[in-house]
Amino acid sequence: DGGITQSPKYLFRKEGQNVTLSCEQNLNHDAMYWYRQDPGQGLRLIYYSQIVNDFQKGDIAEGYSVSREKKESFPLTVTSAQKNPTAFYLCASSTDYVGGIYEQYFGPGTRLTVT
Amino acid sequence: AQKVTQAQTEISVVEKEDVTLDCVYETRDTTYYLFWYKQPPSGELVFLIRRNSFDEQNEISGRYSWNFQKSTSSFNFTITASQVVDSAVYFCALITQGGSEKLVFGKGTKLTVNP
Repeated sequence: DGGITQSPKYLFRKEGQNVTLSCEQNLNHDAMYWYRQDPGQGLRLIYYSQIVNDFQKGDIAEGYSVSREKKESFPLTVTSAQKNPTAFYLCASSTDYVGGIYEQYFGPGTRLTVT
Repeated sequence: AQKVTQAQTEISVVEKEDVTLDCVYETRDTTYYLFWYKQPPSGELVFLIRRNSFDEQNEISGRYSWNFQKSTSSFNFTITASQVVDSAVYFCALITQGGSEKLVFGKGTKLTVNP
């Protein structure tokens, strides 16, 4: 079965700790994305990557970092610098980034709670 | 700048009723793509449809239909004979070619279908 996996589904952390969210896809997609969703809000783009070893900041990149060492993987680290990290995080991928012609497919999401 | 407005925050209907979810978009680009996604309670976004700016044909897929009108910058989504399984948050999204090339989401419409 092809798809996008995110683990874990629920994650709890203490304030001040960095935490890394996993995102893996076996769709052979070039582009990958990280979004943040807050209650009653649409999705906001954190980071995106068009190809391996390259990534770009989205609209709300502050306090987050990513890496793209493999085509299949795009982990997101929520650092202690992120002021309001509690949210639902969604990873997505698409066939080709250029022009956004292709739809993005989403993983099941990780709900992060920081106390 | 690109913007997507979903004015209906929440809609509640009784099973078998028809329901239309509104989506109004703003962009200055002439080439763009519109999407609808469904987010069930499980959290994962499910792709429903992609429409490009040069194709104003309406589309029907089973009980789902979409009405794209460039004259009013709208891309409305109708569910015919709604079912309880249609209960979800529905997002409309826009990406432009030549603009930011980032997917911009509306804030979503929560649809509840009661038995």
